[in-house]
Amino acid sequence: GENVEQHPSTLSVQEGDSAVIKCTYSDSASNYFPWYKQELGKRPQLIIDIRSNVGEKKDQRIAVTLNKTAKHFSLHITETQPEDSAVYFCAASGGGSNYKLTFGKGTLLTVNP
Amino acid sequence: DGGITQSPKYLFRKEGQNVTLSCEQNLNHDAMYWYRQDPGQGLRLIYYSQIVNDFQKGDIAEGYSVSREKKESFPLTVTSAQKNPTAFYLCASSSPGGRTNYEQYFGPGTRLTVT
Repeated sequence: GENVEQHPSTLSVQEGDSAVIKCTYSDSASNYFPWYKQELGKRPQLIIDIRSNVGEKKDQRIAVTLNKTAKHFSLHITETQPEDSAVYFCAASGGGSNYKLTFGKGTLLTVNP
Repeated sequence: DGGITQSPKYLFRKEGQNVTLSCEQNLNHDAMYWYRQDPGQGLRLIYYSQIVNDFQKGDIAEGYSVSREKKESFPLTVTSAQKNPTAFYLCASSSPGGRTNYEQYFGPGTRLTVT
């Protein structure tokens, strides 16, 4: 089955700096890669996703890049703010009739004012 | 944030007792999922269902059971066979087809403590 590795497990940045979180996946058939943000005690919420026919996607301060050849994808947050502090999860899905998501173990991002 | 509800928010049980966690959605989604979240472990899939009256085991199904008698409901039973049941349980749903294919929407979670 699919295996998703996520790094780093913790990341601390100063407000205004950029943050990058990286994930690798094992199943070359995976074609959907979402990123979720989970604030303390709350439910995970989708912040951005990318499909395998696209190499990069951007939404304001957040961007995701995908390298299918190398089987890795990354989340980039620019101009970080304290409210960006949360746990971020990457995931991969095999597509077709299988809607399962396999999640990475998460990255705790702390943005220091 | 509405659309998926889980109850209760906190649940306490004695070891050896079965307990059922509720998950209801009014998003008309076909697929529903149960995840377990432990510190540093991410979200691990317990069971999932793509259609009424059908469900499949996820990666950590041992000690759990589910049913899917209605499209809106996907209850999870944590049995006494589950060795380490204390965890945060998240339910999710998704709708196949269309531009929102695969996006999973999560409920608020149930924190289960077994002593």
